[in-house]
Amino acid sequence: GDSVTQMEGPVTLSEEAFLTINCTYTATGYPSLFWYVQYPGEGLQLLLKATKADDKGSNKGFEATYRKETTSFHLEKGSVQVSDSAVYFCALSDRIDYKLSFGAGTTVTVRA
Amino acid sequence: DAGVTQSPTHLIKTRGQHVTLRCSPISGHKSVSWYQQVLGQGPQFIFQYYEKEERGRGNFPDRFSARQFPNYSSELNVNALLLGDSALYLCASSLKDEQFFGPGTRLTVL
Repeated sequence: GDSVTQMEGPVTLSEEAFLTINCTYTATGYPSLFWYVQYPGEGLQLLLKATKADDKGSNKGFEATYRKETTSFHLEKGSVQVSDSAVYFCALSDRIDYKLSFGAGTTVTVRA
Repeated sequence: DAGVTQSPTHLIKTRGQHVTLRCSPISGHKSVSWYQQVLGQGPQFIFQYYEKEERGRGNFPDRFSARQFPNYSSELNVNALLLGDSALYLCASSLKDEQFFGPGTRLTVL
């Protein structure tokens, strides 16, 4: 079945540092890929998405590129802020019923 | 527009009891999905409903059931609660492949 593997955390960074969270996937079809963010005490928010190979999703300074050849969708941000402290989830959905399969999540803490 | 709403926010039950969680989707969204998020893990798919029909079911026991109403709101029912059912239950509504999540219901089973 479909599955997502993402970099284990926790990750602790200083403000303005570069952030990368690795994500790879296994899927039988041609999935859409997503990054969701969960701030403390809140539900999941869609951060960005990509629906086909070589698409780049971007939002709030975060970027991720759909790499079909390496089955990856790594999340990057060039300069993190304290407000980026959250749990980040990589996810995929198939194109049949659109159910989401999530990775285990990566906790990111940014220190001032 | 209002986002996905869920009720209640928090719930405490004892083993063996049953629970009903409720979800109202974003206006115009006809699909509702339910996910279970155990502390420290990613959400796991439980059910998906579209136009009141079950379209998908995850690897959960029959103690878990759900339904969708004509106004597209949904209920998740869990019978014979176990300690391991303690989790954040998330509802998401969608048009196509983009799912929008509610704040969740935190269920604690004692």
